Amino acid sequence: EVQLVESGGGLVQPGGSLRLSCAASGFTFSDHYMDWVRQAPGRGLEWVGRSRNKANSYTTEYAASVKGRFTISRDDSKNSLYLQMNSLKSEDTAVYYCARSLYGDYFFDYWGQGTLVTVSS
Amino acid sequence: SYELTQPPSVSVSPGQTASITCSGDKLGDKYACWYQQKPGQSPVLVIYQDNKRPSGIPERFSGSNSGNTATLTISGTQAMDEADYYCQAWSVFGGGTKLTVL
Repeated sequence: EVQLVESGGGLVQPGGSLRLSCAASGFTFSDHYMDWVRQAPGRGLEWVGRSRNKANSYTTEYAASVKGRFTISRDDSKNSLYLQMNSLKSEDTAVYYCARSLYGDYFFDYWGQGTLVTVSS
Repeated sequence: SYELTQPPSVSVSPGQTASITCSGDKLGDKYACWYQQKPGQSPVLVIYQDNKRPSGIPERFSGSNSGNTATLTISGTQAMDEADYYCQAWSVFGGGTKLTVL
């Protein structure tokens, strides 16, 4: 059974940093592109960024709203995906989901349960 | 930047057909997919590559994509289908549509 479990969310002050983790199981993690998607309270879904797989040199891609502040990395030996968030702003407050990309395309067949990040003083 | 537009809400009677649209410039030239999200839950993929259903998704869910509009159709809508639905193309999501089954 495919499982994605996020952790690391919490309350952080504006300008602060936080690192989210996503532990994957039930599939060959190294084969897949993995993405982060967020959802502000009461709002819609927003794509944050992605990590391509080893075959594609682990390259990353980011939404304009987080580029330069967020960094996605992965450790295939630990079946884990990470999101390092720096210079956090109040508008980064959201539930952050990790999601598995199917066929390397921009659609996601499995999602984690999400972890809430609150940026507030 | 690319935008996808969905109606904020759609209402349907049980057993009837619900159609939810997603509009974007030349959307038909891209693949569209659809997610269902119920309150307090993570999104679930219901349609990908315009009209394919993942395993476990009921046959009453179907999709199409042509021109500037992608459409999610739910035939014989059931109370359990009441949820928010999001379209996606490339890395862009639509704003979401709340489906109410009256």
